[in-house]
Amino acid sequence: AQSVSQHNHHVILSEAASLELGCNYSYGGTVNLFWYVQYPGQHLQLLLKYFSGDPLVKGIKGFEAEFIKSKFSFNLRKPSVQWSDTAEYFCAVNTASGGSYIPTFGRGTSLIVHP
Amino acid sequence: EPEVTQTPSHQVTQMGQEVILRCVPISNHLYFYWYRQILGQKVEFLVSFYNNEISEKSEIFDDQFSVERPDGSNFTLKIRSTKLEDSAMYFCARERGGRSGELFFGEGSRLTVL
Repeated sequence: AQSVSQHNHHVILSEAASLELGCNYSYGGTVNLFWYVQYPGQHLQLLLKYFSGDPLVKGIKGFEAEFIKSKFSFNLRKPSVQWSDTAEYFCAVNTASGGSYIPTFGRGTSLIVHP
Repeated sequence: EPEVTQTPSHQVTQMGQEVILRCVPISNHLYFYWYRQILGQKVEFLVSFYNNEISEKSEIFDDQFSVERPDGSNFTLKIRSTKLEDSAMYFCARERGGRSGELFFGEGSRLTVL
């Protein structure tokens, strides 16, 4: 079965700083990749997803992620963060074949953005 | 707005007590999941539910746990005799399409076992 590692557990930034959150997965076959965000007091919601095609995926609120197959990575980026980006970010993966279609999540990264 | 509603938002219980967490989807869907997150740890899969039956379950989902869809709409996750280590955030989610992996979550139920 696949697994997901998120290396940054806590990230603190000032507004306008650039953001990159790491996500690596372990599975050699075809994968679907996701980033979810959980704002304080709210539910987990999809930020962006990759199924196939262009490995650079753009999501809501200026976020993007790049799938690098050779590195088994799907890092999340944003060029300039805002205070409202303060949230918990989760990377997830599932597979269409071979592995488990059950989405597997990382432990999350807590992002705090200071105004 | 979340596509599934979960109740209660927070429950405090004594060890050994039974707990029922509820999940109400806004519309009819086939695939549902329960996940949990112990504070500071990863979001862990518990069980998936397809067409009113358990589809898959993880090692965590032992005999202490059960899921039902008693009225064809609401889901319940029952923990028969809670343990301290059951303290966690429990999330219900429905899946977009068939096996896409894209999930729509509820707001979660925080369970605290004393």
